[in-house]
Amino acid sequence: AQKVTQAQTEISVVEKEDVTLDCVYETRDTTYYLFWYKQPPSGELVFLIRRNSFDEQNEISGRYSWNFQKSTSSFNFTITASQVVDSAVYFCALSGINSGSRLTFGEGTQLTVNP
Amino acid sequence: EAGVAQSPRYKIIEKRQSVAFWCNPISGHATLYWYQQILGQGPKLLIQFQNNGVVDDSQLPKDRFSAERLKGVDSTLKIQPAKLEDSAVYLCASSLDGVGRPHCTFGSGTRLTVV
Repeated sequence: AQKVTQAQTEISVVEKEDVTLDCVYETRDTTYYLFWYKQPPSGELVFLIRRNSFDEQNEISGRYSWNFQKSTSSFNFTITASQVVDSAVYFCALSGINSGSRLTFGEGTQLTVNP
Repeated sequence: EAGVAQSPRYKIIEKRQSVAFWCNPISGHATLYWYQQILGQGPKLLIQFQNNGVVDDSQLPKDRFSAERLKGVDSTLKIQPAKLEDSAVYLCASSLDGVGRPHCTFGSGTRLTVV
């Protein structure tokens, strides 16, 4: 069985602060993929990043960065210099090698960035 | 490229009534998913289709929910009769599996309120 845990239900920061969203996962698959999605108030799920289990290299994309640590089964997401437009619910998700794009989601973290 | 289309956007019904949601996936995407997202939770898979065949419907409450994907393109999800706990956003997603890097595109969802 697969499981994704996002322990932080809500985070509130002031604009320009850095914020890290935590994600811990469980899977028996040796090959799997991890994802982050953003869900703004409008409701659509916006794809942010996909990582496969063989690639533990950390990634930076603009103000976003991701820290994948297989040893601790964690895939954390950091927003640097947060902005009000970053306010949204962020979901971490997992799919196994035999699951195709079938996703197991965490419960989400509501991020509020205040001006 | 056109995205995943869903309709209606919103629906309010009384309990014990029936309702149907429609989804048109991205052209050429063989795999189609229906997810249920209850307020404050992450999306949970209801059913997965590969072309017009069901791959996984283990989480679909089959006593009241049904889904079909005729001709392997559009899909319809039906609830009959609806219960109060069915109030949720129903998300349709599609993917082009088999290319080594899973990627799912979501529609904007149908927000169902059962009163």
